[in-house]
Amino acid sequence: QSVLTQPPSASGTPGQRVTISCSGSSSNIGSSDVYWYQQLPGTAPKLLIYSNSQRPSGVPDRFSGSKSGTSASLAISGLRSEDEAVYYCAAWDDSLGAWVFGGGSRLTVL
Amino acid sequence: QVQLVQSGAEVKKPAASVIVSCKASGYTFTSYYMHWVRQAPGQGLEWMGIINPSGGTTSYAQKFQGRVTMTRDTSTSTLYMELSSLRSEDTAVYYCARASGSSYYNGMDVWGQGTTVSVSS
Repeated sequence: QSVLTQPPSASGTPGQRVTISCSGSSSNIGSSDVYWYQQLPGTAPKLLIYSNSQRPSGVPDRFSGSKSGTSASLAISGLRSEDEAVYYCAAWDDSLGAWVFGGGSRLTVL
Repeated sequence: QVQLVQSGAEVKKPAASVIVSCKASGYTFTSYYMHWVRQAPGQGLEWMGIINPSGGTTSYAQKFQGRVTMTRDTSTSTLYMELSSLRSEDTAVYYCARASGSSYYNGMDVWGQGTTVSVSS
């Protein structure tokens, strides 16, 4: 059971906009920055979003992040087949004194 | 460019120990903390701990306290993660991942390629 809660799956058709949610508590998302990672099959995770809504250089602006209270969301617009991956959220948890991850959301492009 | 190159796959017997290395390049080694994260087959990501390469101080996830040791060699810009008393549940891919700054509160920005550790009798 992951400390951060994500839906196990999400899907959309090419060109659509999809969102993936990440729910936590006051000890993690409520008081810390949220990071989002993309993991393509057989590869290491890649940073997509940091500090809730910032994109590293090289990440397309189709990817965006937001945070409100104890929840965060990742939005992907103009969906492409190459976006098929597992997406993870992460945050520091003050109560645990540890970094915590969501269980991951597998995105399927139909 | 920032690169983290990890050591090769390991096969270990239960109760043994394993050391995974992570050689960093392309940035000032002592200016960024380093996380260790693992991923069991078909499972999600699990944080193991973090090390400050400058002073060597560490913070470990409670689950791994007493079994994990993270160290560094500043002369070679290499970090090490040793996990002892291995059991089958420790079979996983182990990643080093650079923190985006010099604090425990900085998330992971660049990841190593991963090291597969298999534990089997």
